[in-house]
Amino acid sequence: SQTIHQWPATLVQPVGSPLSLECTVEGTSNPNLYWYRQAAGRGLQLLFYSVGIGQISSEVPQNLSASRPQDRQFILSSKKLLLSDSGFYLCAWSGTLRQGLGSPLHFGNGTRLTVT
Amino acid sequence: QKEVEQDPGPLSVPEGAIVSLNCTYSNSAFQYFMWYRQYSRKGPELLMYTYSSGNKEDGRFTAQVDKSSKYISLFIRDSQPSDSATYLCAMSATGAQKLVFGQGTRLTINP
Repeated sequence: SQTIHQWPATLVQPVGSPLSLECTVEGTSNPNLYWYRQAAGRGLQLLFYSVGIGQISSEVPQNLSASRPQDRQFILSSKKLLLSDSGFYLCAWSGTLRQGLGSPLHFGNGTRLTVT
Repeated sequence: QKEVEQDPGPLSVPEGAIVSLNCTYSNSAFQYFMWYRQYSRKGPELLMYTYSSGNKEDGRFTAQVDKSSKYISLFIRDSQPSDSATYLCAMSATGAQKLVFGQGTRLTINP
């Protein structure tokens, strides 16, 4: 079965510090990978998605970036965090179109980031 | 106008009640419809997944899709306190790489 791992679960970082959140998927190959942010009491905001190694689509260009160095690894980064970067960050995967049209997303358990 | 509208609630009902959660949408190209359940401080968990119009039942949960009205529903029968969570609807068009989510409805089941 497929599993998704996301870490750390909780992170407190000062303004201006760098960020690196990592997500890995097991049990599937060539997944689509996604990074979402969820502000308190609000919906999910898609930040980045990737359909393959090195292929990144940005939905909300800010001071965040994403990379996919391996097929099942997705990394969210920032060089200098802002207060507004605080939130709940979720990684998700889905099957590729070849594996099933409209394949649903499967989420990790998220990283709660507080920028102080 | 948002592509997907979902009443954020909060919705509070007594244990054992039938709960009805709803979303409306504007994009007639949507073919795949999902409901997610999200407990506090956890990632969303896929609850129901349906294609096109019709009903799908899984235990106490029933998902309905009415494409003519652009309206989807999730019914929870014999609601339990453990059903207390935020429920998000999501949908996508054929071939789309991304889902469009509703804002989520916060549900509380009171014992």
